Amino acid sequence: AQSVTQLGSHVSVSEGALVLLRCNYSSSVPPYLFWYVQYPNQGLQLLLKYTTGATLVKGINGFEAEFKKSETSFHLTKPSAHMSDAAEYFCAVSGGSYIPTFGRGTSLIVHP
Amino acid sequence: DTAVSQTPKYLVTQMGNDKSIKCEQNLGHDTMYWYKQDSKKFLKIMFSYNNKELIINETVPNRFSPKSPDKAHLNLHINSLELGDSAVYFCASSQMGREETQYFGPGTRLLVL
Repeated sequence: AQSVTQLGSHVSVSEGALVLLRCNYSSSVPPYLFWYVQYPNQGLQLLLKYTTGATLVKGINGFEAEFKKSETSFHLTKPSAHMSDAAEYFCAVSGGSYIPTFGRGTSLIVHP
Repeated sequence: DTAVSQTPKYLVTQMGNDKSIKCEQNLGHDTMYWYKQDSKKFLKIMFSYNNKELIINETVPNRFSPKSPDKAHLNLHINSLELGDSAVYFCASSQMGREETQYFGPGTRLLVL
């Protein structure tokens, strides 16, 4: 079985502030973990993913995430938010199934 | 060069009608999917095809019928549309595998009146 919990349906930050979007997962096998971003009126696109190896994963647009097995977490961070980062962010896990399970999404709001 | 394309982009129709959404991918992937995204952005897998064979069929009303004429195409036909079918429908594709990235189409926004 596999599941994802994204804490906070909405996160609001000021431009230039740290972005932290939280994701906790459950998986019966070593997981593969993904973050996808959905800009308004568009489909989802991959930000970054963890498969094996280095636990700190860098993605596009300055985002990174760290796989912490002991905490079953894969939180997404960016040091300095930009207005263009405003979007919906989805965490996903592939555990025992090759079909990923998506979280319910976190809407990132960036204030000027 | 669009990787995953869907038509139409918008669909407004009356209750009880039948409609189809088409999806094509030019990535050479062997697996395609249909997702439904509701107004709260929740993404739900509906169907998955691998090499034209149906492999995932979630709890979806049988008014929804997918068809995959070849590996690059996956269509979705919906009979007797209901108000609750209003949503955004996304097609996606990937190679089969737990580590594989899914590539999403732009979505079809369906509104049933």
